[in-house]
Parts: sequence; structure tokens; C-alpha cells
Amino acid sequence: EVQLLESGGGLVQPGGSLRLSCAASGFTFSTYAMSWVRQAPGRGLEWVSGLSAGGGTTYYADSVKGRSTISRDISKSTLYLQMNSLRAEDTALYYCAKVGRSSTSYDAFDIWGQGTMVTVSS
Amino acid sequence: EIEMTQSPATLSVSPGERATLSCRASQSVSSNLAWYQHKPGQAPRLLIYGGSTRATGIPARFSGGGSGTEFTLTISSLQSEDFAVYYCQQYNNWPRTFGQGTKVEIK
Repeated sequence: EVQLLESGGGLVQPGGSLRLSCAASGFTFSTYAMSWVRQAPGRGLEWVSGLSAGGGTTYYADSVKGRSTISRDISKSTLYLQMNSLRAEDTALYYCAKVGRSSTSYDAFDIWGQGTMVTVSS
Repeated sequence: EIEMTQSPATLSVSPGERATLSCRASQSVSSNLAWYQHKPGQAPRLLIYGGSTRATGIPARFSGGGSGTEFTLTISSLQSEDFAVYYCQQYNNWPRTFGQGTKVEIK
């Protein structure tokens, strides 16, 4: 069964850092493009960051560009999102998601994790 | 950045009735358009990709149409489990963008 399991969320003060993790199983992790998507309380879905299937190209929303880094560890089948200089507006449930087809970034997100909550507050 | 606009924001429908949701892109996304269903406390669920192809396991009452900048999601006969928020998303350009969502509620 294909599964994604996020972890690493929590309460952090403004200006702090967090590293989110997404453990993947049930598919060949190294051949799929992955993304992080978030949902702030009472708001809609917002795409945050993406990693190409080959792992060599990264993409970021303007809202997190320069403050976040997406990466993966193929040996651990794990996707990461390092978030720095956190702001109150980064408070959200963060989901990781995989695309439906291997070897392409141009596809919909067919599998999502259950999410990990990040709260930025003093 | 491509802006995705969904309408209406809320749709009140009786069980068994048809629901039609709209999604407009600020520029062409070809057929690189997906629809998701999202319920509280659950992960979003892929319904439609490629503008009109149902994802695995999605009932035939869900259908998608359109290309370019105008898209629709139709639920032919609403079941109780279909009351949720629905999002469209384009994957033609970076950054990926979602519509603001349409909440389908019980009338």
C-alpha cells in the first residue's frame, strides 16, 4: 500500500526553525516528484514547495522562497522541508503529496499524507 | 503565477440532485487540471486529473470537463458522502496553484 507519513510539526516561536519529514512507502520513492501543500486554519489549500522526480530541481511558492528548503533522502525514502525564519502566517497543517506518474513533475497529486501541524506563536 | 478562480464559493444541494462546480484559470493550463475532494480531518482525495479522467476508484457520478482556461466538475447525483470542499489545481506551470475551493453543503 502506498503511504506517506508526515512528522516534525509543533509549536515554534516566530523566527524559529522546523524540519518537516515525510516517510514514503509502497512505491519507488526515487522516481516520483513530490510536493508540500499546506492549509492554514479556516483557509484553502496552498502549494508550498516541490521537488522534481530526479531530485535535481526544486520549486517554491513566493510565500516561503528564501526561507525554506525541500530535499529528500532516497536511502530513507523520506522527503523533507526545512523551514526557517518562521512567521505567524506559516501556521498551517502541512501535507506531503506525490504525483501519479513516475519520472514527471507534470501530474496531479494522487496520494497525500495526513499532515503535520505547524504552529508559529510566542 | 496562474490564478485559479472557483465558483460558486458555496453550493447548497439536496441529496440526489446534480451539482456543477466551475474553475477558471487566468491563462491556459491546457488539460493539466485536477480536482480534489477534501473533508475535515482527512487528506485531500484526487478525483479528476487531465481535466476529465477519473482517478482510480472514483465513482462514475463524478465527471470533469473543459480545457484551456474553463473547467467544470459535475456530480450527477449527490450522495451524503459527497458533501465536502472541492478544489481545482493546475499543474501546467510553476508555482502550482489551487482555487479557493467550493463548499458543497446539504440544502
